[in-house]
Amino acid sequence: GESVGLHLPTLSVQEGDNSIINCAYSNSASDYFIWYKQESGKGPQFIIDIRSNMDKRQGQRVTVLLNKTVKHLSLQIAATQPGDSAVYFCAENRSGGSYIPTFGRGTSLIVHP
Amino acid sequence: ETGVTQTPRHLVMGMTNKKSLKCEQHLGHNAMYWYKQSAKKPLELMFVYSLEERVENNSVPSRFSPECPNSSHLFLHLHTLQPEDSALYLCASSQVLASYEQYFGPGTRLTVT
Repeated sequence: GESVGLHLPTLSVQEGDNSIINCAYSNSASDYFIWYKQESGKGPQFIIDIRSNMDKRQGQRVTVLLNKTVKHLSLQIAATQPGDSAVYFCAENRSGGSYIPTFGRGTSLIVHP
Repeated sequence: ETGVTQTPRHLVMGMTNKKSLKCEQHLGHNAMYWYKQSAKKPLELMFVYSLEERVENNSVPSRFSPECPNSSHLFLHLHTLQPEDSALYLCASSQVLASYEQYFGPGTRLTVT
Protein backbone atom coordinates (compact mmCIF):
# COMPACT_ATOMS: atom_id res chain seq x y z
CA GLY A 1 0.00 0.00 0.00
CA GLU A 2 0.93 3.62 -0.02
CA SER A 3 2.99 4.72 2.93
CA VAL A 4 5.44 7.18 4.30
CA GLY A 5 8.30 5.70 6.24
CA LEU A 6 11.71 6.36 7.65
CA HIS A 7 14.82 4.30 7.04
CA LEU A 8 16.35 4.55 10.53
CA PRO A 9 14.50 4.67 13.84
CA THR A 10 17.46 6.16 15.73
CA LEU A 11 20.38 8.31 14.64
CA SER A 12 23.23 9.21 16.99
CA VAL A 13 25.66 11.98 16.08
CA GLN A 14 28.33 14.06 17.74
CA GLU A 15 27.75 17.73 18.36
CA GLY A 16 28.99 19.72 15.41
CA ASP A 17 28.51 16.94 12.88
CA ASN A 18 26.01 17.12 10.07
CA SER A 19 22.92 14.91 10.39
CA ILE A 20 20.92 13.33 7.62
CA ILE A 21 17.49 11.89 8.27
CA ASN A 22 15.85 9.94 5.47
CA CYS A 23 12.29 9.29 4.46
CA ALA A 24 10.76 7.15 1.72
CA TYR A 25 7.34 7.55 0.20
CA SER A 26 5.55 5.28 -2.21
CA ASN A 27 2.89 7.45 -3.84
CA SER A 28 4.20 9.30 -6.88
CA ALA A 29 1.15 11.58 -6.69
CA SER A 30 2.44 13.12 -3.46
CA ASP A 31 3.35 16.70 -4.19
CA TYR A 32 3.98 18.35 -0.85
CA PHE A 33 6.23 17.21 1.96
CA ILE A 34 6.80 18.50 5.45
CA TRP A 35 9.36 17.79 8.13
CA TYR A 36 8.31 18.07 11.76
CA LYS A 37 10.45 18.06 14.90
CA GLN A 38 9.04 16.72 18.16
CA GLU A 39 10.98 17.35 21.34
CA SER A 40 10.33 15.36 24.46
CA GLY A 41 7.10 16.48 26.12
CA LYS A 42 6.06 18.68 23.23
CA GLY A 43 3.93 18.44 20.14
CA PRO A 44 5.38 18.27 16.62
CA GLN A 45 6.75 21.53 15.30
CA PHE A 46 6.94 22.46 11.62
CA ILE A 47 10.54 22.72 10.40
CA ILE A 48 10.53 23.00 6.64
CA ASP A 49 8.46 21.99 3.65
CA ILE A 50 9.04 21.34 -0.03
CA ARG A 51 6.82 21.00 -3.06
CA SER A 52 7.33 18.40 -5.74
CA ASN A 53 8.37 21.00 -8.33
CA MET A 54 11.54 21.57 -6.28
CA ASP A 55 14.55 19.36 -5.59
CA LYS A 56 16.03 21.29 -2.73
CA ARG A 57 15.02 23.87 -0.18
CA GLN A 58 17.14 25.48 2.48
CA GLY A 59 16.28 26.95 5.81
CA GLN A 60 18.31 27.98 8.79
CA ARG A 61 20.83 25.12 9.25
CA VAL A 62 18.38 22.71 7.61
CA THR A 63 18.08 21.55 4.03
CA VAL A 64 15.46 19.28 2.56
CA LEU A 65 16.24 17.29 -0.56
CA LEU A 66 13.61 15.62 -2.69
CA ASN A 67 14.39 12.89 -5.18
CA LYS A 68 11.20 12.13 -7.04
CA THR A 69 12.83 9.45 -9.16
CA VAL A 70 13.35 7.17 -6.19
CA LYS A 71 10.64 8.74 -4.03
CA HIS A 72 13.05 9.78 -1.33
CA LEU A 73 13.14 12.75 0.99
CA SER A 74 15.91 13.76 3.34
CA LEU A 75 16.46 16.34 6.03
CA GLN A 76 19.98 17.59 6.53
CA ILE A 77 20.91 19.44 9.69
CA ALA A 78 24.20 21.29 9.61
CA ALA A 79 26.41 21.59 12.69
CA THR A 80 24.04 19.55 14.83
CA GLN A 81 23.54 20.87 18.34
CA PRO A 82 22.27 19.18 21.51
CA GLY A 83 19.06 21.18 21.12
CA ASP A 84 18.42 19.33 17.88
CA SER A 85 17.86 16.10 19.80
CA ALA A 86 14.27 15.14 19.05
CA VAL A 87 12.11 12.86 16.94
CA TYR A 88 11.80 13.97 13.33
CA PHE A 89 8.76 13.09 11.20
CA CYS A 90 8.23 13.43 7.54
CA ALA A 91 4.72 13.87 6.20
CA GLU A 92 3.26 13.86 2.73
CA ASN A 93 0.23 15.43 1.13
CA ARG A 94 -1.40 14.75 -2.21
CA SER A 95 -3.19 17.34 -4.29
CA GLY A 96 -6.71 16.26 -5.02
CA GLY A 97 -6.60 13.74 -2.24
CA SER A 98 -7.14 14.14 1.47
CA TYR A 99 -6.05 17.42 2.98
CA ILE A 100 -4.72 15.43 5.91
CA PRO A 101 -1.01 14.65 5.80
CA THR A 102 0.26 11.11 6.17
CA PHE A 103 2.96 10.90 8.80
CA GLY A 104 5.93 8.60 9.02
CA ARG A 105 6.89 6.85 12.24
CA GLY A 106 9.73 9.17 13.08
CA THR A 107 13.48 9.03 13.58
CA SER A 108 14.96 9.77 16.96
CA LEU A 109 18.01 12.02 16.64
CA ILE A 110 20.41 11.88 19.58
CA VAL A 111 23.16 14.47 19.69
CA HIS A 112 26.12 13.71 21.96
CA PRO A 113 28.06 16.67 23.34
CA GLU B 1 -1.03 33.05 25.56
CA THR B 2 -0.07 32.09 22.01
CA GLY B 3 -0.22 29.01 19.84
CA VAL B 4 -2.15 25.89 20.71
CA THR B 5 -2.67 24.92 24.33
CA GLN B 6 -3.97 21.69 25.79
CA THR B 7 -5.19 20.76 29.25
CA PRO B 8 -4.59 18.74 31.21
CA ARG B 9 -1.04 17.83 30.28
CA HIS B 10 -1.28 14.51 32.09
CA LEU B 11 -4.34 12.43 32.94
CA VAL B 12 -4.75 9.09 34.66
CA MET B 13 -8.21 7.60 34.57
CA GLY B 14 -9.92 4.33 35.30
CA MET B 15 -11.90 2.46 32.70
CA THR B 16 -15.21 3.55 34.21
CA ASN B 17 -14.34 7.24 34.47
CA LYS B 18 -15.52 10.09 32.29
CA LYS B 19 -13.07 12.86 31.51
CA SER B 20 -12.54 15.55 28.91
CA LEU B 21 -9.50 16.89 27.12
CA LYS B 22 -9.45 20.54 26.15
CA CYS B 23 -7.66 22.30 23.32
CA GLU B 24 -7.57 26.01 22.60
CA GLN B 25 -5.90 27.76 19.71
CA HIS B 26 -4.99 31.45 19.77
CA LEU B 27 -4.03 31.68 16.11
CA GLY B 28 -7.34 32.58 14.52
CA HIS B 29 -7.39 29.32 12.60
CA ASN B 30 -10.54 27.76 11.17
CA ALA B 31 -9.62 24.07 11.28
CA MET B 32 -8.80 21.90 14.29
CA TYR B 33 -7.71 18.29 14.62
CA TRP B 34 -7.36 15.52 17.18
CA TYR B 35 -4.53 13.01 16.77
CA LYS B 36 -3.51 9.96 18.78
CA GLN B 37 0.19 9.26 19.16
CA SER B 38 1.13 5.81 20.43
CA ALA B 39 4.63 4.53 20.96
CA LYS B 40 6.40 3.45 17.79
CA LYS B 41 3.41 4.34 15.59
CA PRO B 42 2.77 7.21 13.21
CA LEU B 43 0.37 9.91 14.22
CA GLU B 44 -3.20 8.69 13.84
CA LEU B 45 -5.81 11.23 12.80
CA MET B 46 -8.98 10.96 14.87
CA PHE B 47 -11.23 13.92 14.09
CA VAL B 48 -11.22 17.03 11.94
CA TYR B 49 -13.32 20.14 12.40
CA SER B 50 -13.67 23.05 10.02
CA LEU B 51 -15.57 26.12 11.16
CA GLU B 52 -16.99 24.08 14.04
CA GLU B 53 -18.33 21.36 11.77
CA ARG B 54 -16.94 17.85 11.90
CA VAL B 55 -15.61 16.93 8.47
CA GLU B 56 -13.82 13.70 9.26
CA ASN B 57 -14.26 10.92 11.75
CA ASN B 58 -11.49 8.46 11.11
CA SER B 59 -13.22 5.27 12.32
CA VAL B 60 -12.78 6.22 15.94
CA PRO B 61 -14.62 4.20 18.61
CA SER B 62 -17.65 5.89 20.13
CA ARG B 63 -15.97 6.00 23.54
CA PHE B 64 -14.21 9.08 22.11
CA SER B 65 -16.60 11.97 21.53
CA PRO B 66 -15.37 15.29 20.10
CA GLU B 67 -16.97 18.67 20.55
CA CYS B 68 -16.15 21.95 18.86
CA PRO B 69 -18.23 24.80 20.35
CA ASN B 70 -16.38 27.47 18.38
CA SER B 71 -13.41 27.74 16.06
CA SER B 72 -10.99 28.34 18.95
CA HIS B 73 -11.94 25.43 21.20
CA LEU B 74 -11.96 21.70 20.77
CA PHE B 75 -12.80 19.03 23.32
CA LEU B 76 -12.41 15.30 23.40
CA HIS B 77 -14.81 13.60 25.80
CA LEU B 78 -13.67 10.24 27.09
CA HIS B 79 -15.74 7.48 28.67
CA THR B 80 -15.26 3.79 29.38
CA LEU B 81 -11.81 3.78 27.84
CA GLN B 82 -9.57 0.75 27.53
CA PRO B 83 -5.93 0.40 28.60
CA GLU B 84 -4.91 0.36 24.92
CA ASP B 85 -6.26 3.90 24.64
CA SER B 86 -3.32 5.09 26.71
CA ALA B 87 -1.36 7.45 24.46
CA LEU B 88 -0.44 11.05 23.81
CA TYR B 89 -3.42 12.95 22.42
CA LEU B 90 -2.42 15.87 20.27
CA CYS B 91 -4.54 18.75 19.13
CA ALA B 92 -3.59 20.77 16.06
CA SER B 93 -4.97 23.66 14.09
CA SER B 94 -4.48 25.07 10.61
CA GLN B 95 -5.49 28.31 9.00
CA VAL B 96 -8.04 26.65 6.79
CA LEU B 97 -8.93 23.03 6.14
CA ALA B 98 -6.86 22.82 2.98
CA SER B 99 -3.80 24.35 4.62
CA TYR B 100 -1.12 21.72 4.93
CA GLU B 101 0.82 23.40 7.72
CA GLN B 102 -0.59 22.39 11.07
CA TYR B 103 0.31 23.81 14.46
CA PHE B 104 0.34 21.30 17.28
CA GLY B 105 -0.31 21.64 20.98
CA PRO B 106 1.92 19.92 23.55
CA GLY B 107 -0.48 17.03 23.97
CA THR B 108 -2.20 15.29 26.87
CA ARG B 109 -0.48 12.18 28.14
CA LEU B 110 -3.36 9.81 28.95
CA THR B 111 -2.99 6.67 31.01
CA VAL B 112 -5.97 4.35 31.37
CA THR B 113 -5.73 1.98 34.32
